[in-house]
Amino acid sequence: SAVISQKPSRDICQRGTSLTIQCQVDSQVTMMFWYRQQPGQSLTLIATANQGSEATYESGFVIDKFPISRPNLTFSTLTVSNMSPEDSSIYLCSVNQATSSYNEQFFGPGTRLTVL
Amino acid sequence: DAKTTQPPSMDCAEGRAANLPCNHSTISGNEYVYWYRQIHSQGPQYIIHGLKNNETNEMASLIITEDRKSSTLILPHATLRDTAVYYCIVRPNFGNEKLTFGTGTRLTIIP
Repeated sequence: SAVISQKPSRDICQRGTSLTIQCQVDSQVTMMFWYRQQPGQSLTLIATANQGSEATYESGFVIDKFPISRPNLTFSTLTVSNMSPEDSSIYLCSVNQATSSYNEQFFGPGTRLTVL
Repeated sequence: DAKTTQPPSMDCAEGRAANLPCNHSTISGNEYVYWYRQIHSQGPQYIIHGLKNNETNEMASLIITEDRKSSTLILPHATLRDTAVYYCIVRPNFGNEKLTFGTGTRLTIIP
């Protein structure tokens, strides 16, 4: 199974600033996913990131607000830009590992962001 | 939109079997049923998945009805550490299909 780490684990930021979240995987993966979980809510997919190509964003999320980098097969970053209190959420990185017998998605521990 | 329906919350006594239902009446022929859980302040954790046969692993059992329109996740001997939100998700078991989360069931194990 893939082991995923995220940095920072939590942060408190001021309105109008930006935060970059890092996601590191212990194995090479084709696709990485970024999710947001607002307080008391379920997970919502922000975007899917392939190495070497532009990320694909879900409805309601745009690249200017959530730019994503995917420089190699084990690493990705998500930036939350020009933050407002509504961006206070847990941000989760996820990867998919598929073989002939299973197709499983693994999640990182999350980054808890509070915007004041 | 999520393709599954789950009760928002359930309680279960410690040591008893916890049975979590899920409706997925629009499931397609190539879609599997996956279960994940999220313990407070952690990332979701894979539990089990299946297509049409019942499945069992070290964590749980999955019972899928013959018409595949519903399923039940069974935790045979619930412990306090099983308190979590449980998500039932349907998706194809190939490729890199994303997981789409519904609202899940908040399971509380009562001592």
